[in-house]
Amino acid sequence: DIVLTQSPALAVSLGQRATISCRASESVRSSMHWYQQKSGQQPKLLIYGASNLASGVPARFSGSGSGTDFTFTIDPVEADDIATYYCQQSRNDPWTFGGGTKLELK
Amino acid sequence: QVKLLQSGAALVKPGASVKMSCKASGYTFTDYWVSWVKQSHGKSLEWIGEIYPNSGATNFNEKFKGKATLTVDKSTSTAYMELSRLTSEDSAIYYCTRGVIRGRGSYFDYWGQGVMVTVSS
Repeated sequence: DIVLTQSPALAVSLGQRATISCRASESVRSSMHWYQQKSGQQPKLLIYGASNLASGVPARFSGSGSGTDFTFTIDPVEADDIATYYCQQSRNDPWTFGGGTKLELK
Repeated sequence: QVKLLQSGAALVKPGASVKMSCKASGYTFTDYWVSWVKQSHGKSLEWIGEIYPNSGATNFNEKFKGKATLTVDKSTSTAYMELSRLTSEDSAIYYCTRGVIRGRGSYFDYWGQGVMVTVSS
């Protein structure tokens, strides 16, 4: 199985940039996607295909990368962005998720 | 708009089975895969498997083969997942999702609200 590794937590100040990384154990090409999960809610798709913004998602969110190294960015961070962010790959079965990065306020 | 409405929470005894539903609306049910995802308390997400409503074709994470059974009722645009021989390890929230093919597999653009399953005697 492809393992996706994320840092467990990131502390950021409001109005600043937050950058979350996801490293795959083998190449997933551009088949990487990002989700936001707020406490008590279901995940929400933000980015698909490494860099494509999902419908209705603000342009403050962006994604980049290919192969094994991917980055998800929020710029600027707003209070409503406090959540856990997950990467997910769809290159090789089984489709797997990263462990999640919890975004916290400084 | 697209909605996935899941059935309510379940409290089940060890060794029993549970069947949950996911009613889709706002899109053509047979055009998209439906995947199921497990989230144990405070933990990450695990993909269980997927079903293509048009044909009934399924694809499972090896870890969940023999544990999960996926079916659909096209007449009501409803997907079902049954979990068998439940243990405490099966206590979790289970989400149904709509899968969009990207690469060899899917990303999940819409999610149900989740079903909390608690396995306890």
